Amino acid sequence: AQSVTQPDIHITVSEGASLELRCNYSYGATPYLFWYVQSPGQGLQLLLKYFSGDTLVQGIKGFEAEFKRSQSSFNLRKPSVHWSDAAEYFCAVGARGSTLGRLYFGRGTQLTVWP
Amino acid sequence: GAGVSQSPSNKVTEKGKDVELRCDPISGHTALYWYRQSLGQGLEFLIYFQGNSAPDKSGLPSDRFSAERTGGSVSTLTIQRTQQEDSAVYLCASSLRSSGETDTQYFGPGTRLTVL
Repeated sequence: AQSVTQPDIHITVSEGASLELRCNYSYGATPYLFWYVQSPGQGLQLLLKYFSGDTLVQGIKGFEAEFKRSQSSFNLRKPSVHWSDAAEYFCAVGARGSTLGRLYFGRGTQLTVWP
Repeated sequence: GAGVSQSPSNKVTEKGKDVELRCDPISGHTALYWYRQSLGQGLEFLIYFQGNSAPDKSGLPSDRFSAERTGGSVSTLTIQRTQQEDSAVYLCASSLRSSGETDTQYFGPGTRLTVL
């Protein structure tokens, strides 16, 4: 069965520090991969996605993620965190070749940014 | 352009009452999804529409939950005889799905349902 693991429930970083949020998936084939961000009281906003091609993908707000097939991982990174990045981050996978299209989400990582 | 909209933004109801939640997808998006976000369960898939049909209803938790989509656009999620465990944020998403494969889903702001 498909599953997504975000091992860190809560991460705290100082403003200006680098950030890496971890995501591992279990899937029969290479899935489509997504990172979404959710601010309090808001819906999910797409940060970036991987469908194929270059395994290092760039997203909005200075985020990037790298797909590593050998590790079944799709970790999210940002070189310098801003206070406005404080939010909850969700990794999600979608089935390649499926006509159903549902996403499977990790449990989320809450990011706190210290000034 | 306009994003996915949902109404109401908040709904408080009494146990046993029926509620209807509405989703307006992005214009031209043929696929529409409902998810539920609760503290204990994270983000759970409920149902997927392609046009007006629902090829995947596997996430609906009980027969108290139903959904429909009309005109290939607006969707309504109905919960009958609400229970306290139905309290959650209900999120709607839409995507183009023109290729028949998974593509990018865009989410609405959600409806927060509280069952007293």
